[in-house]
Amino acid sequence: DQQVKQNSPSLSVQEGRISILNCDYTNSMFDYFLWYKKYPAEGPTFLISISSIKDKNEDGRFTVFLNKSAKHLSLHIVPSQPGDSAVYFCAARGGSNYKLTFGKGTLLTVNP
Amino acid sequence: KAGVTQTPRYLIKTRGQQVTLSCSPISGHRSVSWYQQTPGQGLQFLFEYFSETQRNKGNFPGRFSGRQFSNSRSEMNVSTLELGDSALYLCASSLSGPANEQFFGPGTRLTVL
Repeated sequence: DQQVKQNSPSLSVQEGRISILNCDYTNSMFDYFLWYKKYPAEGPTFLISISSIKDKNEDGRFTVFLNKSAKHLSLHIVPSQPGDSAVYFCAARGGSNYKLTFGKGTLLTVNP
Repeated sequence: KAGVTQTPRYLIKTRGQQVTLSCSPISGHRSVSWYQQTPGQGLQFLFEYFSETQRNKGNFPGRFSGRQFSNSRSEMNVSTLELGDSALYLCASSLSGPANEQFFGPGTRLTVL
């Protein structure tokens, strides 16, 4: 049972435009969400996170929005840059479990 | 500050063999998590260790095991390898747990023939 879903395997945008990556979850116990970015041949790197008590968190060009009623979160990248081309993973923490549940990832390609 | 290191980076084994992967966390980090990454399944949680204790385990068969040493270094072992075990195995360390900012190593690419 996939509790964290990233339904778009890939996304292509033009440099300078907005990239929107989406993530849906099914477990109501999830209380903390994170986004990771992964380049080929490297491990994922932490990008931004949001607690379930907030609906928005911003860090430079990156903003994460959380809609708890819809069990949906999204990552906005504005403006998109070619260096943002990578696989983006959404992850969620549930209750007191010391584990993260990851989605399958979305490959973002930013074209110059 | 040195990052998370994993050894070996690449490994080729045959079915039925066993393998041990090693992870050295960032100095001062006591939590080490292991993940399996495959093209179809994304990152799947294997287990997490904190101060030599396994705190959580994912849905993997008993052939997958791990341990953590007093210096926080961790190893994972896979016995009786199957073709489906071919994957990138990632280790991540954090100060107190995976929900805190985790730092990932580059991974070990395991190929089972």
